[in-house]
Amino acid sequence: SQQGEEDPQALSIQEGENATMNCSYKTSINNLQWYRQNSGRGLVHLILIRSNEREKHSGRLRVTLDTSKKSSSLLITASRAADTASYFCATDLGSYIPTFGRGTSLIVHP
Amino acid sequence: KAGVTQTPRYLIKTRGQQVTLSCSPISGHRSVSWYQQTPGQGLQFLFEYFSETQRNKGNFPGRFSGRQFSNSRSEMNVSTLELGDSALYLCASSPGLAGSNQETQYFGPGTRLLVL
Repeated sequence: SQQGEEDPQALSIQEGENATMNCSYKTSINNLQWYRQNSGRGLVHLILIRSNEREKHSGRLRVTLDTSKKSSSLLITASRAADTASYFCATDLGSYIPTFGRGTSLIVHP
Repeated sequence: KAGVTQTPRYLIKTRGQQVTLSCSPISGHRSVSWYQQTPGQGLQFLFEYFSETQRNKGNFPGRFSGRQFSNSRSEMNVSTLELGDSALYLCASSPGLAGSNQETQYFGPGTRLLVL
């Protein structure tokens, strides 16, 4: 499969804790994006990181990219119940077809 | 700006029928991409249209087709429906080509299709 693969598949934490999810891919990429999807709805863009970048921040989100390991991580700090959602990474894999992983399902308990 | 809209939101069809789904992109966006999302296969790219031309196509059979109009609105058609076509169909718009993954895609709420 050419998909990026998120890990873990599911994550359950308490409000206030940090949540970390990872994305691995198999071939070289130009960019990697993270999206969030609330149950049964459309995806919402979170962050784009380019292949020449190592880290980006947006509010409580921190994304890292390690092109040598072909992996990225998304850290959500001080999580809230409203962060409950599925999180997807999207890569181009050089094919000009945006490729999404299967997602990490995050549940944040109040 | 209004977001991406998709109609209808829910649809029930029977095997062998055909269906047409509609997507209105954000004003000014020229690219519309379609995705199929199922629990088993995840989110899979169907095709992308830009300026009324199909620019990229995923690995789906010819029963899946689409088109884009001059106002950037897009339709997706599935002919001879199969049970396995039951899915959430998402469309996304972006100002430029989405395929390079350099553009932020803005997703609609999806059309949930159930094939009986």
